[in-house]
Amino acid sequence: QQQVKQSPQSLIVQKGGISIINCAYENTAFDYFPWYQQFPGKGPALLIAIRPDVSEKKEGRFTISFNKSAKQFSLHIMDSQPGDSATYFCAASSPNSGSARQLTFGSGTQLTVLP
Amino acid sequence: SAVISQKPSRDICQRGTSLTIQCQVDSQVTMMFWYRQQPGQSLTLIATANQGSEATYESGFVIDKFPISRPNLTFSTLTVSNMSPEDSSIYLCSVGKGPLQPTYGYTFGSGTRLTVV
Repeated sequence: QQQVKQSPQSLIVQKGGISIINCAYENTAFDYFPWYQQFPGKGPALLIAIRPDVSEKKEGRFTISFNKSAKQFSLHIMDSQPGDSATYFCAASSPNSGSARQLTFGSGTQLTVLP
Repeated sequence: SAVISQKPSRDICQRGTSLTIQCQVDSQVTMMFWYRQQPGQSLTLIATANQGSEATYESGFVIDKFPISRPNLTFSTLTVSNMSPEDSSIYLCSVGKGPLQPTYGYTFGSGTRLTVV
């Protein structure tokens, strides 16, 4: 099963708060888990990514937590800012022999950070 | 990471016509992909554009409806043929690294917002 399930669909956070978006997957062959940020009228931009050999990766205010046994991963945005208001997509990919890696996307989370 | 130029950025087209979307990359890339993003929805892979061979289409997408060209390692086109209002979407070009490699850094173009009337 290639699905990646993402929640919540929408999230409203006060400025300075923590935003948490969760994703779950079924395919144990997935070995690359990126998060993308998309602003209106723009294409998705890679925010941060993790491999399953680590449980956490932090880049600035953005942290991915990864739980391999539970097949879940989440994005934490610390000190959320109004400029973080965007749609966030989790994704996953697995190696396909003889073919390109393809990304399977979650359904997206619309984040609104209130000033 | 690669810089992608996608044209046109938006278009309004009559049903029954076709639109060709161009994707130009500033460096040679092995893999190019075309995605569709319907309003307020996630991204769905249409096909992988293979240089020198036919594109590989995902389930639900066919070559007659979405012909793809990939003449070299920096350029690809996607045509949306015989359009209907259901084709109204954002179409996105994406590039990544070679097969079987950890492709940290898939890059997306800004997309083509297509409205079919």
